[in-house]
Amino acid sequence: SQELEQSPQSLIVQEGKNLTINCTSSKTLYGLYWYKQKYGEGLIFLMMLQKGGEEKSHEKITAKLDEKKQQSSLHITASQPSHAGIYLCGADGNRDDKIIFGKGTRLHILP
Amino acid sequence: GAGVSQSPRYKVAKRGQDVALRCDPISGHVSLFWYQQALGQGPEFLTYFQNEAQLDKSGLPSDRFFAERPEGSVSTLKIQRTQQEDSAVYLCASSFLARVRNSPLHFGNGTRLTVT
Repeated sequence: SQELEQSPQSLIVQEGKNLTINCTSSKTLYGLYWYKQKYGEGLIFLMMLQKGGEEKSHEKITAKLDEKKQQSSLHITASQPSHAGIYLCGADGNRDDKIIFGKGTRLHILP
Repeated sequence: GAGVSQSPRYKVAKRGQDVALRCDPISGHVSLFWYQQALGQGPEFLTYFQNEAQLDKSGLPSDRFFAERPEGSVSTLKIQRTQQEDSAVYLCASSFLARVRNSPLHFGNGTRLTVT
């Protein structure tokens, strides 16, 4: 079965700094999803990537899927307190319609 | 409604009690998913419905867990004879289309179950 490994597990950055979160899959990624979860709340959809080399941006968040489709990165530029939370990558299994998730990266922003 | 609604928000159960967790998906959404999220972990898939049909229940941890969506809208996750290891946040998500790749999942805020 497919497994997703996220790194780092936890990240503390100064407000205004850039940061990158990685997601590595044990198998080829067909649909790769990035979600954000605030503590005690549900997940909020950020972006979906499908094609090797694809890159998408939303406000100050950019996500990329590498050419081999086994790794994705999420990059935040000029971080703000509102970016704090848990970032989760998820993947569907090509023929499956369920999404499996990594364990998440906990992001803290220091003012 | 505007979003996926789950109730209750918090549930404390004594070990051995039965519990029922409710999910109201976004109106018109075809697909409905249940996930279990333990503290500090990512969500783990439990089961999936397309309308009223339960297409995948491979993630249900034991036969104490049962889910239904009889009219293709509201869903209930029932846990019988709760155990301490059932303590977790139970998340419900829905999507407009049958294929998740064509429409993203919308999550509720979850039900936090604590078994004492």
